[in-house]
Amino acid sequence: NAGVTQTPKFRVLKTGQSMTLLCAQDMNHEYMYWYRQDPGMGLRLIHYSVGEGTTAKGEVPDGYNVSRLKKQNFLLGLESAAPSQTSVYFCASSLTSGGAETQYFGPGTRLLVL
Amino acid sequence: GQNIDQPTEMTATEGAIVQINCTYQTSGFNGLFWYQQHAGEAPTFLSYNVLDGLEEKGRFSSFLSRSKGYSYLLLKELQMKDSASYLCAVLDSNYQLIWGAGTKLIIKP
Repeated sequence: NAGVTQTPKFRVLKTGQSMTLLCAQDMNHEYMYWYRQDPGMGLRLIHYSVGEGTTAKGEVPDGYNVSRLKKQNFLLGLESAAPSQTSVYFCASSLTSGGAETQYFGPGTRLLVL
Repeated sequence: GQNIDQPTEMTATEGAIVQINCTYQTSGFNGLFWYQQHAGEAPTFLSYNVLDGLEEKGRFSSFLSRSKGYSYLLLKELQMKDSASYLCAVLDSNYQLIWGAGTKLIIKP
């Protein structure tokens, strides 16, 4: 049982390049989330999904797109990377939403945009 | 707006007790979480409070006062491995987690 995994662990991009971050979970969770974590700030929700084939915007969705074609996978895309997108990206999943439902986090992807 | 405040950094001694405070102003309240995050790692769940009072779990306890918009995490018998950041997060009316910036706890021998 691997939990939540993220690929890649680290990436350097040039401004304007595109990339996709992959998140996979093997806990059969319905809900999945993409966050970014920046120094001195709390985790900020980028996009989330409440089930296969559904996605919704979070607090900071601009510049990102997501897809959830399979229940276990949640992809985060950057179409044209900008230096402001330099951050640590965490994927998380939970069985449902609300109440005492714990979110389980992946190990993170460190992205540097030059 | 929504806001969660925690101290940026705290220092404590091995074997001692430390209390990390969290105050919040959010649109609705459906519970408060504490997570632990070691440097370079993912956050991991510590505790959840939805009713007023103290929840104890081993060396860690978490307290909530909804009327005051206040919570604290109490760590007893501190160990070096407790050096980490502690994140406070509130589940708002839309069942989305609003996160504080975290408190970096430094444990000295």
